[in-house]
Amino acid sequence: GAGVSQTPSNKVTEKGKYVELRCDPISGHTALYWYRQSLGQGPEFLIYFQGTGAADDSGLPNDRFFAVRPEGSVSTLKIQRTERGDSAVYLCASSITRADTQYFGPGTRLTVL
Amino acid sequence: DAKTTQPTSMDCAEGRAANLPCNHSTISGNEYVYWYRQIHSQGPQYIIHGLKNNETNEMASLIITEDRKSSTLILPHATLRDTAVYYCIVRGLIQGAQKLVFGQGTRLTINP
Repeated sequence: GAGVSQTPSNKVTEKGKYVELRCDPISGHTALYWYRQSLGQGPEFLIYFQGTGAADDSGLPNDRFFAVRPEGSVSTLKIQRTERGDSAVYLCASSITRADTQYFGPGTRLTVL
Repeated sequence: DAKTTQPTSMDCAEGRAANLPCNHSTISGNEYVYWYRQIHSQGPQYIIHGLKNNETNEMASLIITEDRKSSTLILPHATLRDTAVYYCIVRGLIQGAQKLVFGQGTRLTINP
């Protein structure tokens, strides 16, 4: 079946701009996760949704980062006033429930010039 | 912080078994051992997980020591496509512990 999909695959933006990154989880998966991976590092947790609500947002680096999942399926990660340090690959994962295996999408490579 | 220790890199000849070790000496009784791999420029791919018994699937085998302080991922017949970074992750399932904490992983290179 279809896996986790993320769009766009690549996003180039200028410092100070606003960006939105989209994640389509596997159908029927109630839990959704966002991670960020900087060059040469392992992925780092950002936020976790159970249904429509953010159950754990402890990994969001600051208030420029925000994520929503209004209908409990698709999620959007929003970054305001982007900075060069936000450049990374943003990964989304989903699982049937919070206790199940997480499956990752291909990621969105964000470059802030 | 990651709760696991893995070698930074390993090499293996194509067709041979690749054995990737992982230390997780502080693992607690309700924590699972998960393995993922990441091929260049792709998202992490789930391989296998276990609690205390050895596990096998179509991709690999997972051997967990009796004291659960270490484990080994075995790729029985490595191919060039198995070249990737392999992450060993300890994951609890209690409230608030669902996130995966990745370390640096082991960069496995399969040589022809």
